[in-house]
Amino acid sequence: DVKVTQSSRYLVKRTGEKVFLECVQDMDHENMFWYRQDPGLGLRLIYFSYDVKMKEKGDIPEGYSVSREKKERFSLILESASTNQTSMYLCASSSSGSLGGELFFGEGSRLTVL
Amino acid sequence: GNSVTQMEGPVTLSEEAFLTINCTYTATGYPSLFWYVQYPGEGLQLLLKATKADDKGSNKGFEATYRKETTSFHLEKGSVQVSDSAVYFCALSDHEGGSEKLVFGKGMKLTVNP
Repeated sequence: DVKVTQSSRYLVKRTGEKVFLECVQDMDHENMFWYRQDPGLGLRLIYFSYDVKMKEKGDIPEGYSVSREKKERFSLILESASTNQTSMYLCASSSSGSLGGELFFGEGSRLTVL
Repeated sequence: GNSVTQMEGPVTLSEEAFLTINCTYTATGYPSLFWYVQYPGEGLQLLLKATKADDKGSNKGFEATYRKETTSFHLEKGSVQVSDSAVYFCALSDHEGGSEKLVFGKGMKLTVNP
């Protein structure tokens, strides 16, 4: 069964801490994405990557960075967490050959910043 | 830029009721259109999709037709079940800038009571 796995389902961090959210996919997909999901705002794209070591900014990249050293792994980094980054973070992947860009999602990482 | 507008709810229905969730879009070109569903405690999963005008996507009793003339992709189901309780997201594929990613609506929470 194909899978996108996010390393932590729930995290609690303090303001100013550095936070790493890890995502691994086993489908050999070229494309990987990080979204955040907030009530009333839906899903907003933070960063995405079309290949190893490549990254592109999404709609809300401020306060975040990413790393893609291996094809299967895409990490989201909060250099200095703030309370407004409390949210649900969703990782997704897709194949470059897929028609219309179907995404496969992980179960999400709920981050609380105190 | 490209965008999706959908009913936000929340909506509560009785089992066997008829469901319609409206979705309209703004896009340049000819995007693919999607409905994703998020069951409680899970990530998003693809429910159905349509890749060109007049295509009908269907799955699990749900249907949606790609209407170019009204820029719409409304989701319908003739008889909902308790197990359909979830959040539903309309989305389109965005090809601007040579990259491909999905743009999501804000989501609509559906609760179906027995």
